Amino acid sequence: SQTIHQWPATLVQPVGSPLSLECTVEGTSNPNLYWYRQAAGRGLQLLFYSVGIGQISSEVPQNLSASRPQDRQFILSSKKLLLSDSGFYLCAWTPPGGGLVSQPQHFGDGTRLSIL
Amino acid sequence: KQEVTQIPAALSVPEGENLVLNCSFTDSAIYNLQWFRQDPGKGLTSLLLIQSSQREQTSGRLNASLDKSSGRSTLYIAASQPGDSATYLCAVPTQGGSEKLVFGKGTKLTVNP
Repeated sequence: SQTIHQWPATLVQPVGSPLSLECTVEGTSNPNLYWYRQAAGRGLQLLFYSVGIGQISSEVPQNLSASRPQDRQFILSSKKLLLSDSGFYLCAWTPPGGGLVSQPQHFGDGTRLSIL
Repeated sequence: KQEVTQIPAALSVPEGENLVLNCSFTDSAIYNLQWFRQDPGKGLTSLLLIQSSQREQTSGRLNASLDKSSGRSTLYIAASQPGDSATYLCAVPTQGGSEKLVFGKGTKLTVNP
C-alpha cells in the first residue's frame, strides 16, 4: 500500500531564516506531487505541483520554492522566511496517468510552521 | 475560473441526527468531485470521489450525491456520532486540467454527545 510522510510535524523559525520541508511517498512510482498551504480562514492554497523529476509548476509568486530531486521526494524551501509564511503546510500525491481526472488525492499529516 | 463554495461554514448537531453538508461549484464541466475530512491539526483524508457520470457514491454511513447541471453536491451523514466531528471539504479538478484541485473552505461539523 502507498504511504506519504511529511516532516517535521511542527517547526518554529525566526523571520529571515531558511526553510526545508520534506515529503516522501512510498509504494508507488512517478506520482504527481503537491504542496499546499492552509491558513486560518483562507482555505487550501496550492503552492507547487510536480508531474515528474525536475518538473515543478508554481502557482503563487512568493519567496518559496520547490524541488523534486528524486521520483518520490518533494521538498519545499525558502532562503528567508517572512511572517506571512506561517501556516499549515500539506504535501499530497495522486497516482500517475489519469491524475485527478479519475483518482483521489492523498495527503500527509502536515507541518505546522510558526514564524517568530 | 472555477469556484467552490461550502455553506454553512460551521454546523453543530446532537448525536444520532442525520445531516447534509452542501457544496456548490460554478463551472459544471467537471471530471469528478471529491469529499475530504480533516481532523484538527491533521491532513485531509479522502472520503468519496464521484465521477461526473455518477449521481451517487456511498461508503458506510456516508452518501455523496452530485448534480452537475445545478453545480451542487451533498454529503449525507446518517446517524451522526461524536467521532464524525471534523471539517469536511469538497474539491473539483480545475477546468480543462487534470493536475490541480479547487477546494471549498469547508464545513466544520460538531456532533454533540
